[in-house]
Amino acid sequence: NAGVTQTPKFQVLKTGQSMTLQCAQDMNHNSMYWYRQDPGMGLRLIYYSASEGTTDKGEVPNGYNVSRLNKREFSLRLESAAPSQTSVYFCASIRIGTGELFFGEGSRLTVL
Amino acid sequence: DQQVKQNSPSLSVQEGRISILNCDYTNSMFDYFLWYKKYPAEGPTFLISISSIKDKNEDGRFTVFLNKSAKHLSLHIVPSQPGDSAVYFCAASGSGGYQKVTFGTGTKLQVIP
Repeated sequence: NAGVTQTPKFQVLKTGQSMTLQCAQDMNHNSMYWYRQDPGMGLRLIYYSASEGTTDKGEVPNGYNVSRLNKREFSLRLESAAPSQTSVYFCASIRIGTGELFFGEGSRLTVL
Repeated sequence: DQQVKQNSPSLSVQEGRISILNCDYTNSMFDYFLWYKKYPAEGPTFLISISSIKDKNEDGRFTVFLNKSAKHLSLHIVPSQPGDSAVYFCAASGSGGYQKVTFGTGTKLQVIP
């Protein structure tokens, strides 16, 4: 069982470069999420998608865009990376009715 | 505005003793409360949850208590084991067809052998 798969696991960018984090889930979940984890800040929601075709901003959406490509896939794009976006990014999907999230292994991004 | 708060960044406990991790929340509309465990270089994994209509839920060594009037929940681990050493996140969500899950800042638990 793959669960939630994120790529890449590690990435180093220069300020101003762009990149896309990919995420796919095989649990047939409707809703998917992107979080970032920073020391002392916990997990903060960037964007979420309640269902295919819909996306909404979370707590910290500035500097990011998302695409819900289909029910399985939810990508996160940094158009012009900034050092403040150095973080560990987690994609997740949710089991409906319980609030239980299933997370990917994370993508560690460093912006120089 | 931090809706879910974990005021203790770290906790050290002797093996075999009880670990108590605390969490406070401000939003009375939350329906579910969850605890996640996270090891370094891994994604968080679900540990235990409790619905707002209950005040206790138990799963093996893990028990979550909910005090709605105080907007407080706690996770008890008895007995604590070295493998329990991890970061524990408290989280809360609303109801409906999807849920926006809000996390606390985490408590790093160290269980000393």
